[in-house]
Amino acid sequence: EPEVTQTPSHQVTQMGQEVILRCVPISNHLYFYWYRQILGQKVEFLVSFYNNEISEKSEIFDDQFSVERPDGSNFTLKIRSTKLEDSAMYFCASSSRDGSNTEAFFGQGTRLTVV
Amino acid sequence: RKEVEQDPGPFNVPEGATVAFNCTYSNSASQSFFWYRQDCRKEPKLLMSVYSSGNEDGRFTAQLNRASQYISLLIRDSKLSDSATYLCVVANQAGTALIFGKGTTLSVSS
Repeated sequence: EPEVTQTPSHQVTQMGQEVILRCVPISNHLYFYWYRQILGQKVEFLVSFYNNEISEKSEIFDDQFSVERPDGSNFTLKIRSTKLEDSAMYFCASSSRDGSNTEAFFGQGTRLTVV
Repeated sequence: RKEVEQDPGPFNVPEGATVAFNCTYSNSASQSFFWYRQDCRKEPKLLMSVYSSGNEDGRFTAQLNRASQYISLLIRDSKLSDSATYLCVVANQAGTALIFGKGTTLSVSS
């Protein structure tokens, strides 16, 4: 069964450092997403990406965040200068269509800990 | 009003019980609705989409009431393996983002 893969599974970084979270979406999918979940809280939308550009972003996705699809397979989330409050589980997801009645497949997540 | 609101539970039920979860959403223009399941410290996984006519998948039945902006999930004959957090999810109007509720925790015991 095809799956979304994320690396690393856990990353610890110092406050102020840059981190890059990596994702390989399902190969024939066209829509890509990043979500985050702070421990004990709900899953929150960060950004959606289609046709090499951002199609939607939330208030959380400020200038410290960026996304990129550097090649045909990877989709990355960069946080330029991490803050303590960026500590969370970050989920990448992909779908063959947009959110309209199409299953979004989630990766197993990267647990980011900012110290 | 929160975008997607759920009773957090926990719901503690014995095996074989029937349990119902409810959810309300605030955006009347939303077109797509889902129930996802999340196990502890794992990724969300789609349980089922929710259609206006209601839909059933084995022991699971989902209903949508657009007029009341209300979604429900019914689980019949609960199994131990049903223990998880059930997430009510609504797509935004453009279909470019999923909005999650906080989830309802279910614990099924023998």
